[in-house]
Amino acid sequence: DSGVTQTPKHLITATGQRVTLRCSPRSGDLSVYWYQQSLDQGLQFLIHYYNGEERAKGNILERFSAQQFPDLHSELNLSSLELGDSALYFCASSVGRETGNQPQHFGDGTRLSIL
Amino acid sequence: GIQVEQSPPDLILQEGANSTLRCNFSDSVNNLQWFHQNPWGQLINLFYIPSGTKQNGRLSATTVATERYSLLYISSSQTTDSGVYFCVLNRDDKIIFGKGTRLHILP
Repeated sequence: DSGVTQTPKHLITATGQRVTLRCSPRSGDLSVYWYQQSLDQGLQFLIHYYNGEERAKGNILERFSAQQFPDLHSELNLSSLELGDSALYFCASSVGRETGNQPQHFGDGTRLSIL
Repeated sequence: GIQVEQSPPDLILQEGANSTLRCNFSDSVNNLQWFHQNPWGQLINLFYIPSGTKQNGRLSATTVATERYSLLYISSSQTTDSGVYFCVLNRDDKIIFGKGTRLHILP
C-alpha cells in the first residue's frame, strides 16, 4: 500500500460531460502529481502541485484543471470530455518541492471511460 | 525536447533468469527514476537514481549520467517481476516517460 488514495476507481461518463478525480497524498507528503496513461500516448505528466502551489505543468489540456487544497488533497477536473480522454489517471505524491526530484509514490489510479 | 529510448521493448524469460533493461537519453537530466507497472496496473517506484548504483534485493540500477544511460538489472527473475518497466526522466520541471520494457516471466 503506497498510502496514496485515489477516488473513484472507475468512472464511466459521456462525451461533453465534466468529472472530478480526487487524490489524497501519503501522510507527510506535500507534493502531488497527476499523470495520464492512454494506449495512444503512453504515460504523460500533467501537473505538479506543492503545498497548494502549482509548480510545473506538463501536457495538460486547457479543458483540464487541477488544484491542491489546504488539507493537501488534490482534485483533477476534466471538462468537455472527448472519447480520447479515456485513460487511466494516476496521482502520485512525494515530500519535496522541486518537480521530480524525489521518489514518488503512486495511487492505484482512476480508470475513466468515455462513451 | 529530450528523447528517451528503452530497450528491449519486450522480453520473455524463464523464471530464474537474469535480465538487463536499458534506458538511453539524449541530453543531461536532473534525475532519473525506474518504475514498475505490474499486470494489475499499479505503478511502483523502484529506484530514484540520478547517478551511481543502487541495489534493492534482486534488483539493482546504475546510471551513468555523463554517458546518458541507465541500466536496471533483475536477477533470479520471479513471475511477480512481470509487467512494464519505465525509465522516467526529469529535466527543467518536465517529467518524461520512456515507452517501457514489457517483461514476461514464464513459470
